Amino acid sequence: GIQVEQSPPDLILQEGANSTLRCNFSDSVNNLQWFHQNPWGQLINLFYIPSGTKQNGRLSATTVATERYSLLYISSSQTTDSGVYFCAVEGKLTFGTGTRLQVTL
Amino acid sequence: DTGVSQDPRHKITKRGQNVTFRCDPISEHNRLYWYRQTLGQGPEFLTYFQNEAQLEKSRLLSDRFSAERPKGSFSTLEIQRTEQGDSAMYLCASSFRVSTNEKLFFGSGTQLSVL
Repeated sequence: GIQVEQSPPDLILQEGANSTLRCNFSDSVNNLQWFHQNPWGQLINLFYIPSGTKQNGRLSATTVATERYSLLYISSSQTTDSGVYFCAVEGKLTFGTGTRLQVTL
Repeated sequence: DTGVSQDPRHKITKRGQNVTFRCDPISEHNRLYWYRQTLGQGPEFLTYFQNEAQLEKSRLLSDRFSAERPKGSFSTLEIQRTEQGDSAMYLCASSFRVSTNEKLFFGSGTQLSVL
C-alpha cells in the first residue's frame, strides 16, 4: 500500500514563530488531507488539497502531486496550535505518523 | 450541522466482555468510516460504508469485530470477547463523496480500555 512519511516528528516553537511541516507519499494520489489532532484527541480537518495551494487564516498548504509531497505552513503560531498534525491520503485515508507540535509562550 | 457524534466517550471493560460503540454521522453524509488509533500512531482504517452497504474491511478487523449501518444512518461497531490488545481510541468519520472530492469529518472518538 501507499506509504506516508511526515517530518519533522517533533517540533517546539515559541509563540509567534513560523513553521513548515512536510508530508511525502510513495504513489500518486487523488485525495490528500491535513488534520490537526488537539490535546483532547479531536481530529479537525484543515485542508482537502490533492494538488495546488490553499490558505485559511494563518494556515496554508501546498501539494505538488507530481513530486509526491505536501507542505503545511503555520504562521505566527499560537499555543492553541499545539497538538499533532497528520497528513492522510487516498479515499480510505492512510495516515502518516504525524508531527507533534508544541508552541510555548 | 451538529458534527459527527460518538457514544460512549470512554468505555472500560474486562477481557472477554462484548462492547458496542455508536456513531451518528453528519446528516446526509453518504459515507461512514471507522478507524482505530493507538498512542503515538496515526489512525488506521478499519471499515467503511456507503449508505447501508459495507464496502471494505481492513485485515485489521478480525472476526471478533462487526460493524453495521442500518438504513444508512447511524453505525455501530461491536467487539466480541475483547482482548487487552483491543485497547485503543475508536474513531468514526463521515463524508459526502462527490467523484473523488471527499473531505472527512471525525467524531471525538470512543476510548476503550480492556482490563
